[in-house]
Amino acid sequence: GQNIDQPTEMTATEGAIVQINCTYQTSGFNGLFWYQQHAGEAPTFLSYNVLDGLEEKGRFSSFLSRSKGYSYLLLKELQMKDSASYLCAVRPTDSGGYQKVTFGTGTKLQVIP
Amino acid sequence: GAVVSQHPSRVICKSGTSVKIECRSLDFQATTMFWYRQFPKQSLMLMATSNEGSKATYEQGVEKDKFLINHASLTLSTLTVTSAHPEDSSFYICSARDHYNEQFFGPGTRLTVL
Repeated sequence: GQNIDQPTEMTATEGAIVQINCTYQTSGFNGLFWYQQHAGEAPTFLSYNVLDGLEEKGRFSSFLSRSKGYSYLLLKELQMKDSASYLCAVRPTDSGGYQKVTFGTGTKLQVIP
Repeated sequence: GAVVSQHPSRVICKSGTSVKIECRSLDFQATTMFWYRQFPKQSLMLMATSNEGSKATYEQGVEKDKFLINHASLTLSTLTVTSAHPEDSSFYICSARDHYNEQFFGPGTRLTVL
């Protein structure tokens, strides 16, 4: 089975840096995604990691350690509009060729002034 | 990036009626589309995988006779919630996979069954 864990909620200050962790236990591994989801809207793609290491994209960075089953999303220079839920999602290898993705429960980030 | 649309964005229906939700990939062909359901304060749950020209693959616990999926073309998949009940009220989101294996989400459809 698949098990993905994230903190439920986090609060951070505007302009600061926040790290959202994700641990996973899946039957095989073929990539990890981070999505941002504002309330009432569909998720939007943030990052994709399939190899160990850090992927940087502007204010957002994502890190992966496959041996530890661990990833984090790093948000720098936080802005009020970054208040949203952040979903960690894993694509296992036994997805029947259809590239299914399993989502974590999401971390609701609140950015305060 | 690629665009996926859903229609309608919001629907309210009476219990016992059927509702059809359309998912379209606007500027790319998607051989595979996915349907998710999201209840308030919960994560996305995959309902089924829709493949163009073949039967959908349903996740465990999802009734295929209640949630009918038709992937008639490379740009259109439909989800029909048959005989809807209040417990089917949810946010339904589709996604489409492009040739580069990236997954793009539609804006979602909020279904309310009275």
